Amino acid sequence: AQSVTQLDSHVSVSEGTPVLLRCNYSSSYSPSLFWYVQHPNKGLQLLLKYTSAATLVKGINGFEAEFKKSETSFHLTKPSAHMSDAAEYFCVVSDYRGSTLGRLYFGRGTQLTVWP
Amino acid sequence: KAGVTQTPRYLIKTRGQQVTLSCSPISGHRSVSWYQQTPGQGLQFLFEYFSETQRNKGNFPGRFSGRQFSNSRSEMNVSTLELGDSALYLCASSLDRVNEQFFGPGTRLTVL
Repeated sequence: AQSVTQLDSHVSVSEGTPVLLRCNYSSSYSPSLFWYVQHPNKGLQLLLKYTSAATLVKGINGFEAEFKKSETSFHLTKPSAHMSDAAEYFCVVSDYRGSTLGRLYFGRGTQLTVWP
Repeated sequence: KAGVTQTPRYLIKTRGQQVTLSCSPISGHRSVSWYQQTPGQGLQFLFEYFSETQRNKGNFPGRFSGRQFSNSRSEMNVSTLELGDSALYLCASSLDRVNEQFFGPGTRLTVL
């Protein structure tokens, strides 16, 4: 079965400092992993995806994530936070197999606050 | 290319009524999935349609149903609304069933 655990429900950083949002996953097969961002009253925007190619994945707006199979982790990072990064971030897993094909499993989300 | 569109954006209904939500996928996308987002339960999968057939269904009661048309547009219906159905309903489209999903802005349903 697939599942995702986002280790922090809230993260606060100062503008210009690094961002780290932590995610652990569980999957019966080789998973595809995603990070989505949701700004207030908006839909979900795809930040980046891992689909078994390079383990370090670069996304939009300077975000990147590293797939670590031994640790079953897919943490999201950004070297320098910007005020516009304040939003809710979701770690998502899918394994594209069998009965769960086409279904995404979402973490509970991490609310990122950026202080000026 | 236009993104995923959902109509209406906001709905207010009363208990016992039924509601239909609409989703138009990105042009060329054939898979449409629906998700419910609430503060208490987070984002939960409702169902997925591909080539006009429901391929996958989440753990929701039979009051929740959907369909997909030949042009890949999809509708979901909720009958006998309950207060707990108040949520943001998100639609996502994908080129096929194995590519990333792109989300619409959602329909905010309030049940009074």
